[in-house]
Amino acid sequence: QVQLQESGPGLVKASETLSLRCSVSGNSITDGSYYWGWIRQPPGKGLEWIGSLYYSGATYHNPSLKSRVIISGDTSKNDFSLKLNSVTAADTAFYYCARGAYGGSFDIWGQGTMVTVSS
Amino acid sequence: AIQLTQSPPSLSASVGDRVTLTCRASQVIGISLAWYQQKPGKPPKLLIYDASSLEIGVPSRFSGSGSGTDFTLTITSLQPEDFATYYCQQYESYPLFTFGPGTKVDIK
Repeated sequence: QVQLQESGPGLVKASETLSLRCSVSGNSITDGSYYWGWIRQPPGKGLEWIGSLYYSGATYHNPSLKSRVIISGDTSKNDFSLKLNSVTAADTAFYYCARGAYGGSFDIWGQGTMVTVSS
Repeated sequence: AIQLTQSPPSLSASVGDRVTLTCRASQVIGISLAWYQQKPGKPPKLLIYDASSLEIGVPSRFSGSGSGTDFTLTITSLQPEDFATYYCQQYESYPLFTFGPGTKVDIK
């Protein structure tokens, strides 16, 4: 059974870097059949794709985030991470990690973690 | 960038109703569309991929159709556990993705 679990600080100060980790069990992040993504959701609002990591190490991110995003993987721990720098109140959201099937819907999601940016 | 719009933004329905939700893309996306259901405090759950393929374990009362720019999610005989918000997602621009703004289905 594949499971994903987000972890990281729930409170980040404005202008600093948000750092989250997604621990994966039941599937290797090097499995070439899948990719690994981050999606966020401001409270009461819709979903926004942040970026994705591929088994090759390639990463892609939402252009709207203007290169503030770094996504990386740790194969020794079978997890992947999100760093979002220069955060503002607009980055306050639930952050989800998810597994993507090639082609690409997200078929398995973590439970999400709430991150609040304080001024 | 490909934009998605969903209509209506919200709707009220009764148990047993047939409900149809719409997702429209700003450009042709073939069948590169998924539908998700999200309940409060929970992550989204994949229902449909490739516009009309039912994800394993999803009840058959859910169905998807459409291609090109216009897509629908239909729930036949709405059940109490179906009251939720539904999102579409396009992956024609893979590896970049966008989600629609959602349709909230609540109890009449």
